[in-house]
Amino acid sequence: SQQGEEDPQALSIQEGENATMNCSYKTSINNLQWYRQNSGRGLVHLILIRSNEREKHSGRLRVTLDTSKKSSSLLITASRAADTASYFCEGQKLVFGQGTRLTINP
Amino acid sequence: SAVISQKPSRDICQRGTSLTIQCQVDSQVTMMFWYRQQPGQSLTLIATANQGSEATYESGFVIDKFPISRPNLTFSTLTVSNMSPEDSSIYLCSGGPRRGEQFFGPGTRLTVL
Repeated sequence: SQQGEEDPQALSIQEGENATMNCSYKTSINNLQWYRQNSGRGLVHLILIRSNEREKHSGRLRVTLDTSKKSSSLLITASRAADTASYFCEGQKLVFGQGTRLTINP
Repeated sequence: SAVISQKPSRDICQRGTSLTIQCQVDSQVTMMFWYRQQPGQSLTLIATANQGSEATYESGFVIDKFPISRPNLTFSTLTVSNMSPEDSSIYLCSGGPRRGEQFFGPGTRLTVL
């Protein structure tokens, strides 16, 4: 399977704290994307990191990619209640894992 | 990037009927895809919508049940045929210049009674 697998499956933190989610994949990729999905809504594209990049920033988001370990991490800094959502990673095959359900407690 | 819209945003349908979902992209994209997300589950790729030719279906999905059209590089439709309650789901289309670089529509929430 080329499925991305997110870890942890669920994460609950206090507002203002940082949240880190991890993703592993099984085959080689040209790029990897992270998405957010609010409950009952469609996916929102967050950030794309290419296979020749090791780290990428976008606002409060920081993504790292380790192609030798076939893993990626998404860090959300200074979390807000609006960050409560499920987060998915996706590589080459357009197959998603179950995602990480992030809950930000006020 | 690309902005993708879907119609309808939601619908409630009777068993045995069919529903056609439209997907419109604001720019030409090479590839378009259709997904299904059943309650509490992750996305499942239904098919790749190929411009000017028949769609490519993933295992477990067939053209008779999910006919797809893609008349040009900015538009596609997915029909859910002969619906049953098991077809209740969110259906999403996505588009992008290549696999692995996709932008998603807001989804169509379908409930079959």
